Amino acid sequence: DGGITQSPKYLFRKEGQNVTLSCEQNLNHDAMYWYRQDPGQGLRLIYYSQIVNDFQKGDIAEGYSVSREKKESFPLTVTSAQKNPTAFYLCASSTSGTGGNTIYFGEGSWLTVV
Amino acid sequence: DAKTTQPNSMESNEEEPVHLPCNHSTISGTDYIHWYRQLPSQGPEYVIHGLTSNVNNRMASLAIAEDRKSSTLILHRATLRDAAVYYCILRVFGAGSYQLTFGKGTKLSVIP
Repeated sequence: DGGITQSPKYLFRKEGQNVTLSCEQNLNHDAMYWYRQDPGQGLRLIYYSQIVNDFQKGDIAEGYSVSREKKESFPLTVTSAQKNPTAFYLCASSTSGTGGNTIYFGEGSWLTVV
Repeated sequence: DAKTTQPNSMESNEEEPVHLPCNHSTISGTDYIHWYRQLPSQGPEYVIHGLTSNVNNRMASLAIAEDRKSSTLILHRATLRDAAVYYCILRVFGAGSYQLTFGKGTKLSVIP
């Protein structure tokens, strides 16, 4: 079945470490997104990519990095520069073009700093 | 930023219709209105979207005001599985792409 796969579902990080969250989609979508969600809050955009080898910062990009070497993959690295990384991270994808396109989300990854 | 305003929470009895309101007074002509819902610790799920006309699908109906400054998501018969946080979102073109900007949403509780 087509969809978006995020891994791992749960991840623990020690302070000062970088961690990478995986996001893979087999929907043939051009656009991919990373969102962060804190408890009881809505989603905030970290990075997005409209095409391979290109990506743009969202509203809260500081302390995060991404790459888009393949159409199917959009990994997110949470660096040690991110001071409060404990959150729920969501990857999404959509076709490009109009605002009427649906965005599909993965199941999310929980990151906890210990 | 184009923003939406929703009530923090609503309750509905099971098998009754639910009307979830959303205000978006700063909407522009090319902004699409999207609704998503989210269960705890899961990714948001698409519900419905529209531009100007009312829309129906198997999950819900979307009623859009004539001036487009408000809309209402209608669940025709609420079930326990409909209990979730519902987000009303404007999909706005900016910086070369269409983005979704999420607010806090409306937490819908369904009473058996």
